[in-house]
Amino acid sequence: EAGVTQSPTHLIKTRGQQATLRCSPISGHTSVYWYQQALGLGLQFLLWYDEGEERNRGNFPPRFSGRQFPNYSSELNVNALELEDSALYLCASSLPARNTEAFFGQGTRLTVV
Amino acid sequence: GDSVTQMEGPVTLSEEAFLTINCTYTATGYPSLFWYVQYPGEGLQLLLKATKADDKGSNKGFEATYRKETTSFHLEKGSVQVSDSAVYFCALRSFSGYSTLTFGKGTMLLVSP
Repeated sequence: EAGVTQSPTHLIKTRGQQATLRCSPISGHTSVYWYQQALGLGLQFLLWYDEGEERNRGNFPPRFSGRQFPNYSSELNVNALELEDSALYLCASSLPARNTEAFFGQGTRLTVV
Repeated sequence: GDSVTQMEGPVTLSEEAFLTINCTYTATGYPSLFWYVQYPGEGLQLLLKATKADDKGSNKGFEATYRKETTSFHLEKGSVQVSDSAVYFCALRSFSGYSTLTFGKGTMLLVSP
């Protein structure tokens, strides 16, 4: 069974540009989470989607946005990129039951120059 | 709100030493608890989990017991190997409200031969 897949693996953008990151959850998983992991730091929660709806949002500016498609895949968009947006962006998926674990993809390394 | 507190690292050990990484949590109700591991350059992998009080999760020689009375979920391993060098994250998934996944800041473990 395929795990959580993220694309692209690496992304280099110029300050001010927009970045789009994609995530395909494990088959049957309806919840998708996005996290930012800056170098040397822990995971900062960005967004949580479930059944196509945004369920929760972390403390990030509105230029971080996303959506979940009918097939439960998800997209994270970052507008007006800033140098400090450079980080590893991790996507995770889970079943809707609240006592189940989340499975992570390998991440997208975004570098803003 | 929910929170997870982990001991700060790095934790530096010699091969075959005993490992303990402390984790305590604050949550409403009875959350599910998880330990994840992140090897360099990779995403997070689920290491073990426990879904109710007194449950013991175990995997690859690692163990953690869900202690409701002390709100703790400490990770232990009797004899660490160089290959265990990684960052370890304690996490919880709460049953209250919209259930997101809350992580601690992570603890880096360095094992020398």
